[in-house]
Amino acid sequence: ETGVTQSPTHLIKTRGQQVTLRCSSQSGHNTVSWYQQALGQGPQFIFQYYREEENGRGNFPPRFSGLQFPNYSSELNVNALELDDSALYLCASSLEGLTGEFFGPGTRLTVL
Amino acid sequence: AQRVTQPEKLLSVFKGAPVELKCNYSYSGSPELFWYVQYSRQRLQLLLRHISRESIKGFTADLNKGETSFHLKKPFAQEEDSAMYYCALAGGTSYGKLTFGQGTILTVHP
Repeated sequence: ETGVTQSPTHLIKTRGQQVTLRCSSQSGHNTVSWYQQALGQGPQFIFQYYREEENGRGNFPPRFSGLQFPNYSSELNVNALELDDSALYLCASSLEGLTGEFFGPGTRLTVL
Repeated sequence: AQRVTQPEKLLSVFKGAPVELKCNYSYSGSPELFWYVQYSRQRLQLLLRHISRESIKGFTADLNKGETSFHLKKPFAQEEDSAMYYCALAGGTSYGKLTFGQGTILTVHP
C-alpha cells in the first residue's frame, strides 16, 4: 500500500463556497500533482508543486490554487465553487518533478 | 496539444482469451507513455511505463511511434484482471503533467 493520503474522504459544499483539500505525499517524495476526475472521465491535470513552487498548470481557472509545505504535503484550494467542480480530486506524489507514480485515494467533492 | 484516445469504453473477454486494450496518442515530440489500472475500490496505480520495457502481471505494451499507439496486451486474461485501465502520456516541458485517456473497463468472464 502506498503512503499517499488525502483528506477528507468526502465533502459536500454549496455553490459559491470555498474548499480546501489536503494531501500527504509518499515519504521522501518532493513533488505533488493534483488531478480532477469527473464521473466517467479520466483524470485531468490541475497543477504540480515541486519543492514548494508551482511547476506546471493545466487548463483550470485561477480560482483553483495550491500550496506545498516544507514537509511536501500539499493543499488544493477552490474558491467560488461551481456545480461542475463536483468530482473526485486525486493527488499523486513522485520524486524530482517526475510523473505521479503514487496516487492517493482521492477526495470526493459534491457541490450542491 | 497532447491527447490520448482509448476508443473502447467497455471490453469483455473470457478467461484465458487474449486481451488488447487500445490506446492512441497525439503528441509532437517524444512522449513517455504509461498504463494505469484501478481495481474495484482501490486507488489508481501505475501498471507499466514504456521506457521500462517490462511485463507486469503478464501485461506488455509496445510504443509504436509510426501508428502513435501504445496498446496494452495480455495473452491469457484472468478474472482478477477485471478493472478500469487508463492510458496516459507525459512529455516535453510538461513532463510532470499526465494526460489521461477516458479509460477502458475490462471485464473478464469465468
